[in-house]
Amino acid sequence: DAGITQSPRHKVTETGTPVTLRCHQTENHRYMYWYRQDPGHGLRLIHYSYGVKDTDKGEVSDGYSVSRSKTEDFLLTLESATSSQTSVYFCAISEAGQGSGSEQFFGPGTRLTVL
Amino acid sequence: GQNIDQPTEMTATEGAIVQINCTYQTSGFNGLFWYQQHAGEAPTFLSYNVLDGLEEKGRFSSFLSRSKGYSYLLLKELQMKDSASYLCAVTGGSGNTGKLIFGQGTTLQVKP
Repeated sequence: DAGITQSPRHKVTETGTPVTLRCHQTENHRYMYWYRQDPGHGLRLIHYSYGVKDTDKGEVSDGYSVSRSKTEDFLLTLESATSSQTSVYFCAISEAGQGSGSEQFFGPGTRLTVL
Repeated sequence: GQNIDQPTEMTATEGAIVQINCTYQTSGFNGLFWYQQHAGEAPTFLSYNVLDGLEEKGRFSSFLSRSKGYSYLLLKELQMKDSASYLCAVTGGSGNTGKLIFGQGTTLQVKP
């Protein structure tokens, strides 16, 4: 299995509070991604990174920010959590970009509940 | 626009064969992935098709027709452990601006 971990694995928070999710990889892959998965929507890309300090927006980036200060860590921050951000969040890594045939390896997921 | 369609749910019997279809309309196409996702777990890679035709990998095969915007995943000799969601995903573009778009997934229930 690819060395990719997420923390925390579960979190319950209140509306309006900031939340940071962490993704850590030991594979030295260049590309890292944050997705959310909701019933009826499948996996939707929030933000991605193509290198240290290089990030870009995905399909559903509003209300989220990211940072990547080291190759191995990719942080997702919900600046002011809302109930609509209740979801399962997956981090993924790949050697090459999304348009390539490079397989994405997924972390175990973080279940976030915003009350 | 981008659109990927898969059936939401399917049911099949242990030992049987099941075909999960995926149709897509995307701006730019490089290839198509299939991922498997068991309930409460992360998606895992099954296959990647670039060229037209069938690719076989053990009990699982994946087919692609680029001209028709169509793919299917074929599961043979179904086992109970094959109960999972199957995600179709399409890639397009290149470099840092490439895209990977997922369909909603097909939940397969295998019954004894």
